[in-house]
Formats: sequence, structure tokens, C-alpha cells
Amino acid sequence: KQEVTQIPAALSVPEGENLVLNCSFTDSAIYNLQWFRQDPGKGLTSLLLIQSSQREQTSGRLNASLDKSSGRSTLYIAASQPGDSATYLCASFSGGYNKLIFGAGTRLAVHP
Amino acid sequence: NAGVTQTPKFQVLKTGQSMTLQCAQDMNHNSMYWYRQDPGMGLRLIYYSASEGTTDKGEVPNGYNVSRLNKREFSLRLESAAPSQTSVYFCASINLSGNTIYFGEGSWLTVV
Repeated sequence: KQEVTQIPAALSVPEGENLVLNCSFTDSAIYNLQWFRQDPGKGLTSLLLIQSSQREQTSGRLNASLDKSSGRSTLYIAASQPGDSATYLCASFSGGYNKLIFGAGTRLAVHP
Repeated sequence: NAGVTQTPKFQVLKTGQSMTLQCAQDMNHNSMYWYRQDPGMGLRLIYYSASEGTTDKGEVPNGYNVSRLNKREFSLRLESAAPSQTSVYFCASINLSGNTIYFGEGSWLTVV
């Protein structure tokens, strides 16, 4: 059974800092791994998707890496801004498209 | 293009009442999902439908039933609501290539 864990559960940083969010998964037989952003009271927005054959994906100030052998993914946010404040969730697809399993999320607060 | 639409957005039920959450997507996606989100627990998969006419149990199916009415619609029914089913419910869909999953805005359900 796939289990996805995110560390830390919460993070508070001053504006401008570079930061790393961690995601680990127990079953390395994943199809892909995705990072999402969730604003309070809202649904989820997909940020980055890394296919199992890839090592990383980049979008603007965001960079996500994937190491299947160690069961880990990281989301790097460069030069954080108050607008980055949200909950970030990772999720792995395994067993085809049938099992998208989420971590509990990291709640990020970036203060001016 | 509305994406994934869920109704209702808010609902209060009494214990033992029944209700159906509706979900529709207009992106011609094959796979659809129902998740529930509880504080500190991320999203947990209730049921999913890999294609029209098929449904399968996820991680937490007890107390729920689903119906894939057609390719567009996937409904979630609570036959006899319990306080433990107080949660935020998200519907999602994904295309065959599995590149990105799209979420609805969520349905806030309170069972008293």
C-alpha cells in the first residue's frame, strides 16, 4: 500500500528565502508524482508533474525533483513571496491511473 | 470551459439523512475520482471510475456509493449520513494520458 509523507507539516519563513518542501513515498513503482497548491477554502491547482522517467521539472520559481530509488521528491521554491502562502501537497500515481495517493501537505506561510 | 463542477458547495445534514453530491466535467476525461479532505490528513480516495460504466473502491469507501451516470458525470451518495462524514469532498478528473488531474472547488458537508 502506497503511503505518502510530507515534511514539515508547517513552515513559516520571511519573504525572499529559498525553501525546500519534502515528500516521501513507500512504493517506488509510481507512474508519476505531482505537486499541488491549495489556497484556503479552495480546490487544488496542479503545479508540477514529474513522470517516473524524469528527474525534475521546473516552472518559474518552482523546481521539483524526483528520486524513485530513495522514494523522495522535493519542491524547491526560490525567492519566496507572500503570495506563495498556501498548502502544498504531493501525490503519487501508482497502479495505473487508479491510485492517486496524497500526502497530508505542508502549510507554508511567507511573511513580509 | 468550466472544468470540473461540483454541487452543492455547502450542505448541512442531520444524522441519518441521505444526499447526493454531483460532479460533472466537460473535458471528455475518462477517469473521475471522489476524495474527502479532513484537517491534517490530506486527501483520501473514496471511490474512482476509470471509465464510463466502471467504479472501484478507494481507501475509505464505507458509507458511500457512487454512480458514473455517463462520461461527464460521477455522483457520490451518502445513504445514511453520520457525523464522521463531516468533511470537504473533492471531485477530480484526468485524461487518458494522465498528465494533469483537475479538481472541483470542493463541497463542504457538515453532519449534525
